[in-house]
Amino acid sequence: EDKVVQSPLSLVVHEGDTVTLNCSYEVTNFRSLLWYKQEKKAPTFLFMLTSSGIEKKSGRLSSILDKKELFSILNITATQTGDSAVYLCAVNSGGSNYKLTFGKGTLLTVNP
Amino acid sequence: DTEVTQTPKHLVMGMTNKKSLKCEQHMGHRAMYWYKQKAKKPPELMFVYSYEKLSINESVPSRFSPECPNSSLLNLHLHALQPEDSALYLCASSQWDRETQYFGPGTRLLVL
Repeated sequence: EDKVVQSPLSLVVHEGDTVTLNCSYEVTNFRSLLWYKQEKKAPTFLFMLTSSGIEKKSGRLSSILDKKELFSILNITATQTGDSAVYLCAVNSGGSNYKLTFGKGTLLTVNP
Repeated sequence: DTEVTQTPKHLVMGMTNKKSLKCEQHMGHRAMYWYKQKAKKPPELMFVYSYEKLSINESVPSRFSPECPNSSLLNLHLHALQPEDSALYLCASSQWDRETQYFGPGTRLLVL
């Protein structure tokens, strides 16, 4: 059975801190790993990673994938209160349909 | 434009009611998904439609009945639900040859 494990499950930091969120996976037929940010409603897409060692960056957020060690990290620098959310990691395990297996998420709280 | 819309935003129904959730996207995506999300849990896949045909049913009880009338619309018909079916129901869509799924805002369902 496909498995995605995120750590930590929750994290409280102060504005300006840098955080690293972790995602490890065990899936058959890996195709891609995706990061989403979920505030009160729908998950919002952040990154999709398919190749090892290539950093994806968007503003203060960046992510990288290690396909040999089967994990990914999501970094957020200079955190702001608006970064408070649940960050979900999902892995697409391919096959004929694009099924995402989600981790339980990391709840990030950024205090002023 | 990466918008997926869902109606209604909130729904309260009794266990004998019949109701429908609607999802729409105009991005030309040919894969559409229904997810169920309970509080503090990740989304759980229910159904996948590809090219308007049901391709995955994750052993969902028959009281949930999906329908894809055309490539832009996805419905979820609800009948004889149980209180434990109360959750956030998320719709998502993706290009068939792209793994990134874009989520709608969800319908928050309460079954009394």
